[in-house]
Amino acid sequence: DTGVSQNPRHKITKRGQNVTFRCDPISEHNRLYWYRQTLGQGPEFLTYFQNEAQLEKSRLLSDRFSAERPKGSFSTLEIQRTEQGDSAMYLCASSLAGYNAGGYTFGSGTRLTVV
Amino acid sequence: AQSVTQLGSHVSVSEGALVLLRCNYSSSVPPYLFWYVQYPNQGLQLLLKYTTGATLVKGINGFEAEFKKSETSFHLTKPSAHMSDAAEYFCACMDTGRRALTFGSGTRLQVQP
Repeated sequence: DTGVSQNPRHKITKRGQNVTFRCDPISEHNRLYWYRQTLGQGPEFLTYFQNEAQLEKSRLLSDRFSAERPKGSFSTLEIQRTEQGDSAMYLCASSLAGYNAGGYTFGSGTRLTVV
Repeated sequence: AQSVTQLGSHVSVSEGALVLLRCNYSSSVPPYLFWYVQYPNQGLQLLLKYTTGATLVKGINGFEAEFKKSETSFHLTKPSAHMSDAAEYFCACMDTGRRALTFGSGTRLQVQP
């Protein structure tokens, strides 16, 4: 297993465009999480899935953001009508349900720059 | 709402010196507590965690942390710094029954030769 994989690693987009990121978790992990990290800050929770069900969403996840995990495996995070404030590192993590709390494996992230 | 405060955004130590990174949490009920390390352009790696039981927790790479409920603290220590320890360190907490981590703003550790 190669760990949690995120693609693309970097994305530069113009303000107003839509972008989509993909996360492939560790294959046997049924929980998947999205976090956002801005420069000089710690990651902030966006949302998490158990299998294909989205169980919790942060108030940070505005209606321009949507996340899916259609078959309970990979997940996508889409941002519509991007704004400069969306520039950040988007981190994905996965874990096993029932595992001791916090046993996440993080991916290397997708760095989004909105120009 | 729970929060995590990391005192000192930058800490510099000499190789071989003690490393002490400070973390305080704010929560009505003692949460689960974690330390993560992040190297440049990489994801976060779990160093150690406290859930229940022994309050002194040992992690990877020689790091350890002690949960002190009376001080609402979870400071990270390592007796002897190595050049490879230079990275950003994040303290995080999780309320029991939830799955979202709340992170501090991080401490960048520099190790001088």
